Amino acid sequence: AQSVTQPDIHITVSEGASLELRCNYSYGATPYLFWYVQSPGQGLQLLLKYFSGDTLVQGIKGFEAEFKRSQSSFNLRKPSVHWSDAAEYFCAVGSGYGKLTFGQGTILTVHP
Amino acid sequence: DTAVSQTPKYLVTQMGNDKSIKCEQNLGHDTMYWYKQDSKKFLKIMFSYNNKELIINETVPNRFSPKSPDKAHLNLHINSLELGDSAVYFCASSLLAGGGTDTQYFGPGTRLTVL
Repeated sequence: AQSVTQPDIHITVSEGASLELRCNYSYGATPYLFWYVQSPGQGLQLLLKYFSGDTLVQGIKGFEAEFKRSQSSFNLRKPSVHWSDAAEYFCAVGSGYGKLTFGQGTILTVHP
Repeated sequence: DTAVSQTPKYLVTQMGNDKSIKCEQNLGHDTMYWYKQDSKKFLKIMFSYNNKELIINETVPNRFSPKSPDKAHLNLHINSLELGDSAVYFCASSLLAGGGTDTQYFGPGTRLTVL
């Protein structure tokens, strides 16, 4: 069965600092990987996705993520965080059976 | 212009009542989903429909019944509400049936509180 682990429940960074959110997945075949962001009271918005090809994928809002098969990881990064990035971030793995499995989320707090 | 919309946004009700949540997407997508996000923020799929046909039915009590009158709408009806049903329910849609490999677009969520 597929699963996703986000080891960090809550991360706090200062505005302008770099950010890395961790995501580890478990899936038997080639994974389809996603990062979504949820702002308070809002639905989830797709940041980026990896299906195949280049293991470094670029997303919206200046985010990027790197797929590392050997580590079963898909970490999300941003070189310089803005206060508006404060939100909850969800990593997800998808299968061809139409099922998307989410991690438990990482809450990002940004200090001015 | 909202892509995926849900009504109501908030729903407060008593145990034992029956309630419905409506979802509509104007993206022309073939597949729609219902997810439940519990108090610990775990987001789990409940159902998915492709062109009005049920394709995913996770282990969900049969008090929950999805209904898709057309491919742009997927409503969720809940009978005999229980305290444990309190959660945020998200509707989503994707262009294709392979929702696990296709980008899903989420609605704003419906916060259900059962008293």
